[in-house]
Amino acid sequence: DAGVTQSPTHLIKTRGQQVTLRCSPKSGHDTVSWYQQALGQGPQFIFQYYEEEERQRGNFPDRFSGHQFPNYSSELNVNALLLGDSALYLCASSLFQGSDTQYFGPGTRLTVL
Amino acid sequence: GQQVMQIPQYQHVQEGEDFTTYCNSSTTLSNIQWYKQRPGGHPVFLIQLVKSGEVKKQKRLTFQFGEAKKNSSLHITATQTTDVGTYFCADTGGGNKLTFGTGTQLKVEL
Repeated sequence: DAGVTQSPTHLIKTRGQQVTLRCSPKSGHDTVSWYQQALGQGPQFIFQYYEEEERQRGNFPDRFSGHQFPNYSSELNVNALLLGDSALYLCASSLFQGSDTQYFGPGTRLTVL
Repeated sequence: GQQVMQIPQYQHVQEGEDFTTYCNSSTTLSNIQWYKQRPGGHPVFLIQLVKSGEVKKQKRLTFQFGEAKKNSSLHITATQTTDVGTYFCADTGGGNKLTFGTGTQLKVEL
């Protein structure tokens, strides 16, 4: 039973560029949430996808967008990268109509130079 | 907006000593979850508390939910080097949107 997977593991970009991060949820899960974790801080909720729609959104600018595919996998896109976007981006999967337990992937470490 | 604070921010203990981290919210918590994040790793779910005053134990770990559902604590008895990491509380807030606390980084020295 595969857990949550994310790609790539690490990524280096320069300011102004765009980036796409990918996530495959745990088998049987239908909901994907994305979090940003800056160094030394707790994860911050970006948004959540269920049934290919954004269901909830945190306090992030619209430079952050996402998508969910019919197979429940998801992408996080960030446009016009800023230095402050450097962080660990975590994907968490869960069941929309289930317990609140979320399973986190290993994350993608994004560095913006 | 909601703020979830944890104290202490850092804790160094000798192996065998006890450790406690406290989680306090500016608003009433829905359900509280606890996660452990090892250095270089990702958050791993430990437990969820739902009821006011609830106490749950997992081996050497004891989790408590405050009577007013505005605070929670995690206590580790007789720490081991395997307990090293950052411990986060998180409010579920309904709909699987987690609001994480600031975290407590635990270091255990031999």
